[in-house]
Amino acid sequence: GAGVSQSPRYKVAKRGQDVALRCDPISGHVSLFWYQQALGQGPEFLTYFQNEAQLDKSGLPSDRFFAERPEGSVSTLKIQRTQQEDSAVYLCASSSWGGDSNQPQHFGDGTRLSIL
Amino acid sequence: DQQVKQNSPSLSVQEGRISILNCDYTNSMFDYFLWYKKYPAEGPTFLISISSIKDKNEDGRFTVFLNKSAKHLSLHIVPSQPGDSAVYFCAASDVHYGGSQGNLIFGKGTKLSVKP
Repeated sequence: GAGVSQSPRYKVAKRGQDVALRCDPISGHVSLFWYQQALGQGPEFLTYFQNEAQLDKSGLPSDRFFAERPEGSVSTLKIQRTQQEDSAVYLCASSSWGGDSNQPQHFGDGTRLSIL
Repeated sequence: DQQVKQNSPSLSVQEGRISILNCDYTNSMFDYFLWYKKYPAEGPTFLISISSIKDKNEDGRFTVFLNKSAKHLSLHIVPSQPGDSAVYFCAASDVHYGGSQGNLIFGKGTKLSVKP
């Protein structure tokens, strides 16, 4: 498809389990972002990739969160030893290379993660 | 402290009239502003953006106004249609990664209801 694709759409896990969320960005988009959105809030930044390089991971809430983009296209967000506060919608966004101009980020439909 | 604020959680407008959604920000380093529209169970959809060097940007029924001195932006929708009913998020960015726009800071959103 033409847009950002995320899978799974819904994920239920027991506390303590590890989960992996996938993002397939728009073809050719250099930049890829992960955001976390809690209920009733706006998305909050987690981490940023430029091609395969993770340039900013300042938003990752703990060392249980890990993201990768090994070939500069598909990205995976992994959460180890999940806790109830990890329950949220995880959004992936991609944008093209803008040079001197600003380029908007385009979002996928997200993965709704529920930790029991 | 929130850097991007949308002080109205909800707004109700009659079909055909103007909808005005407001957003305030505190970080004077923000130089790129965007509006996203979000339907339930979907990701945010990019609507319109504005660079800090401009004070107005128009795209069809949507116009964004930026008042840098007041650190305020607004989204005008004219005429409003029932299909515009959604949550609208204001977002801002001040980080550039070698030409690509950096991570976005979002407000909490305003739920717009357009009544037929």
